Amino acid sequence: AQTVTQSQPEMSVQEAETVTLSCTYDTSENNYYLFWYKQPPSRQMILVIRQEAYKQQNATENRFSVNFQKAAKSFSLKISDSQLGDTAMYFCASPSAGTYKYIFGTGTRLKVLA
Amino acid sequence: KAGVTQTPRYLIKTRGQQVTLSCSPISGHRSVSWYQQTPGQGLQFLFEYFSETQRNKGNFPGRFSGRQFSNSRSEMNVSTLELGDSALYLCASSLAAWVTGSNTEAFFGQGTRLTVV
Repeated sequence: AQTVTQSQPEMSVQEAETVTLSCTYDTSENNYYLFWYKQPPSRQMILVIRQEAYKQQNATENRFSVNFQKAAKSFSLKISDSQLGDTAMYFCASPSAGTYKYIFGTGTRLKVLA
Repeated sequence: KAGVTQTPRYLIKTRGQQVTLSCSPISGHRSVSWYQQTPGQGLQFLFEYFSETQRNKGNFPGRFSGRQFSNSRSEMNVSTLELGDSALYLCASSLAAWVTGSNTEAFFGQGTRLTVV
């Protein structure tokens, strides 16, 4: 069975600082994708960054980067130069091709402090 | 390009009533999924449709049903509403047909906030 685990229910960070959100997963698929989604108070889920398991290079999107450790099945999100607009729930997710659904973690509520 | 549109944004219903929620996916997307989001249970999968066929259904009672039309628009229906059905219902659409290992990015709507009183 495919699982995604986020062990940090809440985190806070000072504006301009760096924060890392953790995610571990388990899957039986050979190739797979991992995603980080952001859900601000407006409720719209927005894709932050994606990582393909076969790519060894960690994905980067501006201030957002991942640390993908395939052997350890770890997929953490690093936010650099945190901004007030980064305040949101962050979900780690992986599509399960066999069941046509996304497996989501329980989310980490991030608050950026001024 | 228009995003995923969910209507209505907010609903207040009474126990025992039924409700229909609508989702219009991004043009060209044929896969539509529904999720229920609550503070206690997180995001729970309801069902997924592709080309008008339900390919998977989550662990929800039969009061929850859905369908997809030929234009890929989808509706979900909840009958005999219970207080516990109060939640944010999210719809997501994607382009890929869930080929193993595919880049199946989901695009989400803003959700429908259902309150059952």
